[in-house]
Amino acid sequence: GAVVSQHPSWVICKSGTSVKIECRSLDFQATTMFWYRQFPKQSLMLMATSNEGSKATYEQGVEKDKFLINHASLTLSTLTVTSAHPEDSSFYICSARPTGSSYNEQFFGPGTRLTVL
Amino acid sequence: SQQGEEDPQALSIQEGENATMNCSYKTSINNLQWYRQNSGRGLVHLILIRSNEREKHSGRLRVTLDTSKKSSSLLITASRAADTASYFCATGGGGADGLTFGKGTHLIIQP
Repeated sequence: GAVVSQHPSWVICKSGTSVKIECRSLDFQATTMFWYRQFPKQSLMLMATSNEGSKATYEQGVEKDKFLINHASLTLSTLTVTSAHPEDSSFYICSARPTGSSYNEQFFGPGTRLTVL
Repeated sequence: SQQGEEDPQALSIQEGENATMNCSYKTSINNLQWYRQNSGRGLVHLILIRSNEREKHSGRLRVTLDTSKKSSSLLITASRAADTASYFCATGGGGADGLTFGKGTHLIIQP
């Protein structure tokens, strides 16, 4: 149980295009999902908190107009990188917290590697 | 936000030896978690230790927590080649909060 998937696993796109990444909780509902970014040989940095049915909360320094988050259902959150540039190339990982869980554990997706040419 | 720091940044040991990684954090916590990440993959949750616990075991893993020093350690005993990965400590995650990760230790187990 507690499986989180991401799609796609990797994507290569041209500079200026937009890329959508999906995060799904497969066997549980998640009111809250999180998006992290990881640059090569670095740690994960929280980008934003995705809340079902409401606006996402962005961390300081993360442009909300560039990283659009939609959490339209209890099992799906999407991250759209708009007008991507080479500096947006990174590993994007989502996590999901089971609704009603009092446990702090978050279940992580396998990540999406974005390369912007 | 707090930022965990791990040391060492990288560690290479022989298979069968024990590996110890340390993590320090800056603010008070309710719990601390350790995760493993294989190269280019997602994270695997290893263990959570609460602020009122000093030590916790899970299989070959032993985690300690010293809240007075704001530090934690992860010990992997009898290491195996499959333990080669990056290990991160993380704090936060309560309520609707995301996790704050340390910089990680890259562990290489040589056969």
